[in-house]
Amino acid sequence: DTGVSQNPRHKITKRGQNVTFRCDPISEHNRLYWYRQTLGQGPEFLTYFQNEAQLEKSRLLSDRFSAERPKGSFSTLEIQRTEQGDSAMYLCASSFGQGDTGELFFGEGSRLTVL
Amino acid sequence: AQSVTQLGSHVSVSEGALVLLRCNYSSSVPPYLFWYVQYPNQGLQLLLKYTTGATLVKGINGFEAEFKKSETSFHLTKPSAHMSDAAEYFCAVSIFTGGGNKLTFGTGTQLKVEL
Repeated sequence: DTGVSQNPRHKITKRGQNVTFRCDPISEHNRLYWYRQTLGQGPEFLTYFQNEAQLEKSRLLSDRFSAERPKGSFSTLEIQRTEQGDSAMYLCASSFGQGDTGELFFGEGSRLTVL
Repeated sequence: AQSVTQLGSHVSVSEGALVLLRCNYSSSVPPYLFWYVQYPNQGLQLLLKYTTGATLVKGINGFEAEFKKSETSFHLTKPSAHMSDAAEYFCAVSIFTGGGNKLTFGTGTQLKVEL
């Protein structure tokens, strides 16, 4: 059973550098979500895709953030010109499309530390 | 817009004692409600969910929760705590429109289980 896979699990970078995270959802899921979780907080919604279409973006997703899901399978989240405030855990989740009962299946997350 | 309030950021119980984690929600339409558990440096795992039907829902690891519309609550309980239950627990609410399931999470409750 392959669940949601995220890479890299940890990334340490210097302020101003670009970083990219990858998410591979559960294969039969056509919805994919990105969340951000900072210390002591619950996950906050960033964006979601249905197949390759990005259907919603949060105001948290500044113009330095871009997410893609080019073939409706894996997704990437890129952060340009990183800032210390970007340090967080970035969580990816996926869900069924047709007949979705609301449950999201989460990956183990990619932890970003910006020095 | 929907929101979730988790009362008590830290809860400590003795092994074998009752676990009660509180969650109150706000939603303008009938919500879907979820409890997720997160172990250190891991993603979120679904414990249980309420969509429609029976208001007392049972989940994994002996947890259950009761949806009380009149109190706008969805408290999580377990009759007897085990050391392995020590983790962070998140309540989440969703209004599922068929176009995607954007969960709104509470700030979490850290459960400590003592001998």
